[in-house]
Amino acid sequence: AQTVTQSQPEMSVQEAETVTLSCTYDTSESDYYLFWYKQPPSRQMILVIRQEAYKQQNATENRFSVNFQKAAKSFSLKISDSQLGDAAMYFCAYGYSGGGADGLTFGKGTHLIIQP
Amino acid sequence: DVKVTQSSRYLVKRTGEKVFLECVQDMDHENMFWYRQDPGLGLRLIYFSYDVKMKEKGDIPEGYSVSREKKERFSLILESASTNQTSMYLCASSLVGRASSYEQYFGPGTRLTVT
Repeated sequence: AQTVTQSQPEMSVQEAETVTLSCTYDTSESDYYLFWYKQPPSRQMILVIRQEAYKQQNATENRFSVNFQKAAKSFSLKISDSQLGDAAMYFCAYGYSGGGADGLTFGKGTHLIIQP
Repeated sequence: DVKVTQSSRYLVKRTGEKVFLECVQDMDHENMFWYRQDPGLGLRLIYFSYDVKMKEKGDIPEGYSVSREKKERFSLILESASTNQTSMYLCASSLVGRASSYEQYFGPGTRLTVT
């Protein structure tokens, strides 16, 4: 079974600085997807960024980028120029391409605090 | 934009009651999911459905059942609510296949309290 581990229950960063959230996963599959989802307080879970395992290039979305290390099974999220609106729970998730409708496997989440 | 709605944001029920949580998506997605979210445990998959009337157990199906009579609607049923089912329940939907990149779209969640 796949597992996703987020080792940082909580992180704090000063506004405008850069923060990196860690995620490791375990799988025997070679073709899969990895996601970072953001859940602001009392608001809907939204997708931040997605990485396809067969792509070597790290995904980027504006201030958000990932460091995908397939051999190490590591998938960290870097947030540059942190903003107050980035404060949220961040969940790393794994999806298996061959699994059809199988649900995503989520980590336990990292609570990101932005200090003004 | 994909929209996933859930029937209630907050719900309070008594132990032993039968509870229905409803989820509706408006983008013709084949897949629908029910997750449970608890502090320190992340999201755990309860059930999912890949087609009308089809359902599969997730990681924690005990004490729950589901119903999918129409493609856009997926219901989670607590047959006899217990206090350990107090939690946040999230519904999600997705397309089938690689073209979707397996991205799931989430509803706002239902915070259920069982007393």
